[in-house]
Amino acid sequence: EPEVTQTPSHQVTQMGQEVILRCVPISNHLYFYWYRQILGQKVEFLVSFYNNEISEKSEIFDDQFSVERPDGSNFTLKIRSTKLEDSAMYFCASSGAGWGYTFGSGTRLTVV
Amino acid sequence: QQQVKQSPQSLIVQKGGISIINCAYENTAFDYFPWYQQFPGKGPALLIAIRPDVSEKKEGRFTISFNKSAKQFSLHIMDSQPGDSATYFCAASMGGSQGNLIFGKGTKLSVKP
Repeated sequence: EPEVTQTPSHQVTQMGQEVILRCVPISNHLYFYWYRQILGQKVEFLVSFYNNEISEKSEIFDDQFSVERPDGSNFTLKIRSTKLEDSAMYFCASSGAGWGYTFGSGTRLTVV
Repeated sequence: QQQVKQSPQSLIVQKGGISIINCAYENTAFDYFPWYQQFPGKGPALLIAIRPDVSEKKEGRFTISFNKSAKQFSLHIMDSQPGDSATYFCAASMGGSQGNLIFGKGTKLSVKP
């Protein structure tokens, strides 16, 4: 069964550092997303991406965040200057026409 | 109005029993209602989804009941098994199966042998 692959599985970074979270969506999917889940809380939408541009973003997705699809397979989330409150599980997802999302297993980001 | 309210927060069911998780919403523009199952350390996995023109959808042991007038929907897990022990999230979207999802807070289900 096709999977969404995320790397790394766990990243520890110092406050103020830049991090890039990487995702390989399912190959024939056209819609890509990032969500995050703070420990023990609900999953929250960050951003959706379609046709090489952001289609929607939440209030959480401020100027510190950016997304990019640098080639035909990867989809990245960059946090420019991490804060303690950015510590969370970050999930990438992709979707094809007519069916729902497939989520990756996530990257646990710990900001110290 | 963007919220999806989920209850209960946790649920303990005996093996073979029926697990019922409920969700309520306010925004009538929602047009897609999925349920996700999440095991520890994993991403949410789509279980079953329904659109508001249907009152019930069944897939195996999992059934969604949808009440449009009450703006409520629920997940029923028949013949619950210990392997069903996980956290379940309801969600809603205004953009169909590609729209951004508003998640409920989750229900931690434990099925006792």
